[in-house]
Amino acid sequence: GAVVSQHPSWVICKSGTSVKIECRSLDFQATTMFWYRQFPKQSLMLMATSNEGSKATYEQGVEKDKFLINHASLTLSTLTVTSAHPEDSSFYICSAGRLAEYNEQFFGPGTRLTVL
Amino acid sequence: KNEVEQSPQNLTAQEGEFITINCSYSVGISALHWLQQHPGGGIVSLFMLSSGKKKHGRLIATINIQEKHSSLHITASHPRDSAVYICAVRSSSGGGADGLTFGKGTHLIIQP
Repeated sequence: GAVVSQHPSWVICKSGTSVKIECRSLDFQATTMFWYRQFPKQSLMLMATSNEGSKATYEQGVEKDKFLINHASLTLSTLTVTSAHPEDSSFYICSAGRLAEYNEQFFGPGTRLTVL
Repeated sequence: KNEVEQSPQNLTAQEGEFITINCSYSVGISALHWLQQHPGGGIVSLFMLSSGKKKHGRLIATINIQEKHSSLHITASHPRDSAVYICAVRSSSGGGADGLTFGKGTHLIIQP
């Protein structure tokens, strides 16, 4: 099956710094990538949808200036958490879909972010 | 917005038991996913359904579009099946590729 990787798998940073998380589709071209966030004991929530070569579409309540998404190629999307605060501590997961099979999404292993 | 409800929220069973996890949703969908999340957080996609039934090993997933309901079954359950099982749907009202709406998950523990 298709493989999606994320890097880093975990990161600890100081409040006020920025953190970049990468999501890569390793063996297929992902026309669309999704970024999700999961707080402890809660369900995953869609943050934004990212299409290659265009601006990301953010869900209501997600600050686009705080969570910068770049989808510069068909195999890489990045999420940058700018000026991170402790309340941004969460589990961030990406998934990637293919245009011809957009119903199917392949999930990355996730990145656990802890902001001190 | 689609509401996704799962039941039960928590389930503890003995090894070998037949397990059923249910998922219902409120509006029409184009696809339903069953996902497995282990304690480390990583997610594995088990099934994607738009109709009927799928089987993979000891796992069976069914969906009834008219009733807006899906079930995930595990036969001959094993302690390694212990995980959180999540139902997620893609609403049919969206155009193009849309993100999923997730249920809160069912925390399954299989005791030896």
